[in-house]
Amino acid sequence: GAVVSQHPSWVICKSGTSVKIECRSLDFQATTMFWYRQFPKQSLMLMATSNEGSKATYEQGVEKDKFLINHASLTLSTLTVTSAHPEDSSFYICSATKTWTDSNQPQHFGDGTRLSIL
Amino acid sequence: GDSVTQMEGPVTLSEEACLTINCTYTATGYPSLFWYVQYPGEGLQLLLKATKADDKGSNKGFEATYRKETTSFHLEKGSVQVSDSAVYFCALRSGGSEKLVFGKGMKLTVNP
Repeated sequence: GAVVSQHPSWVICKSGTSVKIECRSLDFQATTMFWYRQFPKQSLMLMATSNEGSKATYEQGVEKDKFLINHASLTLSTLTVTSAHPEDSSFYICSATKTWTDSNQPQHFGDGTRLSIL
Repeated sequence: GDSVTQMEGPVTLSEEACLTINCTYTATGYPSLFWYVQYPGEGLQLLLKATKADDKGSNKGFEATYRKETTSFHLEKGSVQVSDSAVYFCALRSGGSEKLVFGKGMKLTVNP
């Protein structure tokens, strides 16, 4: 299989705090991981692409300093929402591919993290 | 740029009804096409895929055929079950790219 674990699954925080979300590939090495944001009743919006050992590539309109991404190993990427505010409340989903050189490899998704900022 | 257009719903069907979810795409080159399913409170799961024209992806009774001439990848199932209630996303990935482009998703509710 290709299991991607995301933690935590649900977090509630006060405004102004920073929240870290972890994305782990449990049974494969993930050269590339992706972070998405999903608004209610809407599609997934790609936030950034994370390659192991290098800086993440952010999509247009996504604040790099707001959403810090670290991909320190082939099995772990983290997304930190810094100084979170209520408008950052959303469902964040990560995905991973086994190798970026094979375009036939599908992305494997985590179960998502529901972030609520009070 | 690349884009995916799909039926948005929501759609409510009775058990054993037929299902078709339309999906069309715009892309350069020859993309790979995917259907993902999201069950309530969960992340996305790959349902099926097709990587070249005329390929048919199938899984769990669902089918979709990659139609290059109509740039479509419609999802079909002959007899839906209550357990098929979920949100269905059509997606594409252009050749050489690692990014997925998603449609807006369609919520399906199947009643017993």
